[in-house]
Amino acid sequence: EVQLLDSGGGLVKPGGSLRLSCSASGFTFTSYTMNWVRQAPGKGLEWVASISSRGSYIYYADSVKGRFTISRDNANTSMFLQMNGLRAEDTAVYYCARGTWQLDYWGQGSLVAVSS
Amino acid sequence: QSALTQPPSASGSPGQSVTISCTGTSSDVGAYKYVSWYQEHPGKAPKLIIYEVSKRPSGVTARFSGSKSGNTASLTVSGLQAEDEADYYCSSYAGNNNLVFGGGTKLTVL
Repeated sequence: EVQLLDSGGGLVKPGGSLRLSCSASGFTFTSYTMNWVRQAPGKGLEWVASISSRGSYIYYADSVKGRFTISRDNANTSMFLQMNGLRAEDTAVYYCARGTWQLDYWGQGSLVAVSS
Repeated sequence: QSALTQPPSASGSPGQSVTISCTGTSSDVGAYKYVSWYQEHPGKAPKLIIYEVSKRPSGVTARFSGSKSGNTASLTVSGLQAEDEADYYCSSYAGNNNLVFGGGTKLTVL
């Protein structure tokens, strides 16, 4: 069974940093592009970043470029999102999701709240 | 990249059919076959129900169907059931290694 477990969310002050993790199991992790997608409270979905199966290709939404860094550890079937320079507008539930532009499995989400 | 345009709400009675539209541009929906639809129940993670415009993942009921004409994609839910009440989001590959979502449509089963 495919499972994606998000973790690492929490409350952080504006300008602060946070690192999200996504632990994957039940599939060949090294065969799949992985993504982060977020959803602000009461709002729609927003794609944040993606990383190819071997980490060779990395893409970001303009809204996070230069502040967020996506990475993966294939040996430990995990993906990460390092978030620096956090802003109030980054407050959201962050989901890890599997797939190349079509996301077939999602984690349960990790809440990131940016507030002073 | 602008979000795709969806109606904020849609509704239908049990057994009826409802269609939700998703309007983009010739740079996203109109240009690529990578249009997907997701169902999201409150407090749950989104679930993929349609990919590549009209394909259904294994295990997804045939009551969900997708189509595309020009820059507009559509999701049709046939034989509405109470369990179909949820938020629905479309997405499309938008070129330049970018993925865009619609604003979401809240489907109410009357």
